[in-house]
Amino acid sequence: GAVVSQHPSWVICKSGTSVKIECRSLDFQATTMFWYRQFPKQSLMLMATSNEGSKATYEQGVEKDKFLINHASLTLSTLTVTSAHPEDSSFYICSARGGLHTGELFFGEGSRLTVL
Amino acid sequence: GNSVTQMEGPVTLSEEAFLTINCTYTATGYPSLFWYVQYPGEGLQLLLKATKADDKGSNKGFEATYRKETTSFHLEKGSVQVSDSAVYFCALSDRGGQFYFGTGTSLTVIP
Repeated sequence: GAVVSQHPSWVICKSGTSVKIECRSLDFQATTMFWYRQFPKQSLMLMATSNEGSKATYEQGVEKDKFLINHASLTLSTLTVTSAHPEDSSFYICSARGGLHTGELFFGEGSRLTVL
Repeated sequence: GNSVTQMEGPVTLSEEAFLTINCTYTATGYPSLFWYVQYPGEGLQLLLKATKADDKGSNKGFEATYRKETTSFHLEKGSVQVSDSAVYFCALSDRGGQFYFGTGTSLTVIP
């Protein structure tokens, strides 16, 4: 299957700083990427959908100014958590779809964010 | 609207036991159905899928059959191993490519 890679896999930051998480499709062009948030022992919460070259579509209740999503190329989407606070600590997962794999979603390894 | 309902966990089994995790769905049209697995501290991996009624998806000893008449896609494995301990997500994809996930079922297999 296709490979999606996230970086960093874990990050610790101070409250008030911004953190960027990258999601890359390594062997296919991802026309659409999705960002999820997962709380401990809970399901995935879709945060936003991003299509290459256009603005992300955010789910209800997700602050677009807080969680900046950029999908500047067909292989890279970034999620920036701005002015992070401890309540933003979570596991963030991206997924991608595209190329020959339009019917499937491929997930990154996830990024664990801890805000002190 | 589209939705997925799966069996709540956690599920704890002894090694070599039989596993069933129930999943039912509500969808308009003819969705594709998936099972994803998430190992501790990792992202989700596709375990198996089925794209039309009566299809059986299988991988690593796991199986699930797309049952249109019962709108179900139950996950089964005849003999679980400790290494199968993970969270399992049932999902559907509608014709527009939108995915809908179940809440996940945590499985722990004890030796």
